[in-house]
Amino acid sequence: NAGVTQTPKFQVLKTGQSMTLQCAQDMNHEYMSWYRQDPGMGLRLIHYSVGAGITDQGEVPNGYNVSRSTTEDFPLRLLSAAPSQTSVYFCASSYGYGDEKLFFGSGTQLSVL
Amino acid sequence: EDKVVQSPLSLVVHEGDTVTLNCSYEVTNFRSLLWYKQEKKAPTFLFMLTSSGIEKKSGRLSSILDKKELFSILNITATQTGDSAVYLCAVGANFGNEKLTFGTGTRLTIIP
Repeated sequence: NAGVTQTPKFQVLKTGQSMTLQCAQDMNHEYMSWYRQDPGMGLRLIHYSVGAGITDQGEVPNGYNVSRSTTEDFPLRLLSAAPSQTSVYFCASSYGYGDEKLFFGSGTQLSVL
Repeated sequence: EDKVVQSPLSLVVHEGDTVTLNCSYEVTNFRSLLWYKQEKKAPTFLFMLTSSGIEKKSGRLSSILDKKELFSILNITATQTGDSAVYLCAVGANFGNEKLTFGTGTRLTIIP
């Protein structure tokens, strides 16, 4: 099993550009989420989904959009990149809402210039 | 606001030493406490502790939860260079994965 797969691993953007971070899982997990990890701070939740067609905001949702058209995929879109969005992004999934044992992808290092 | 504090921020020890990592928390309606190991990139799950399971052990790693004093410790005995990583503590509250609050982590370095 591949688990949680994130692409790309690295990305450099200019301010104002948009892009999509891809996340796919092959474990038939209902719950999927996106976190960002910044130096000196814990992982912070951006958006999450409890199943196909259902998404909700986390702690730091501004500047990001998500959709969940299938159980497997949960892309994260940056609408107009800003330097404050420079971070490492992790996709994570679990069997269901309320199952806190998360499986993480390998992360995307994003730099916005 | 829920809070998770890990200490120390970093720790350097020699191979074979025993280490203790700390995680204290203040959350409303505590549900669970989880430990993750983050080596290069992806955090990987180590333990989950709840009211019904306050002590866990796997090989050289063990963890306990003190719900009265609101903290957990992660012990690693006979450390190896492969234990070098950032160890993350997360606390869940109420019912819902979006209630997970992560600490900033302890960076553990094992010197051969």
